[in-house]
Amino acid sequence: EPEVTQTPSHQVTQMGQEVILRCVPISNHLYFYWYRQILGQKVEFLVSFYNNEISEKSEIFDDQFSVERPDGSNFTLKIRSTKLEDSAMYFCASREGANTEAFFGQGTRLTVV
Amino acid sequence: GDSVTQMEGPVTLSEEAFLTINCTYTATGYPSLFWYVQYPGEGLQLLLKATKADDKGSNKGFEATYRKETTSFHLEKGSVQVSDSAVYFCALTPAGANSKLTFGKGITLSVRP
Repeated sequence: EPEVTQTPSHQVTQMGQEVILRCVPISNHLYFYWYRQILGQKVEFLVSFYNNEISEKSEIFDDQFSVERPDGSNFTLKIRSTKLEDSAMYFCASREGANTEAFFGQGTRLTVV
Repeated sequence: GDSVTQMEGPVTLSEEAFLTINCTYTATGYPSLFWYVQYPGEGLQLLLKATKADDKGSNKGFEATYRKETTSFHLEKGSVQVSDSAVYFCALTPAGANSKLTFGKGITLSVRP
């Protein structure tokens, strides 16, 4: 069964460092998303991506964040100059088309120390 | 903006007990409603959905009915099993081609033998 895969499963980084979280969406999907969940809080939308550009982003997704689909298969989230409050579980998701089911990856747990 | 409110948890039940997890929402128009489940160590999986008022979503013995008049989408199961132990998230998405999901906080269900 096709699935969304995320790497790494856990990343520890020092405050101020840059991290790249990687996702491989399902191959025929066209819509891509990043969400995050700070421990004990809601799953929050970060950004959506369609047709090689950002289609919507939340207030959380400021200049510290960027997304890229560099090679037609990977979908990456870059966080520059990480802060302690960036520690969270980051989920990637993809959808085939409008109003279809969103499939989620297993998440990357980011710990900023 | 759109929001989803779930009852506070965690919830602990004995096997074969009846389960209700409350979910209410605030949204304009006619959103689609979802329940996602996260089993330990895994990603978010769609459990069931309903796309219009009075629709009932069902899967694996779980049910939820889209109630426009009470803006609710409560999850129920008549007889829970130990394997149902997981975190359950209620979510919505407005109609549209590239709609993001808005999640509730999630609730942890533990079922004891």
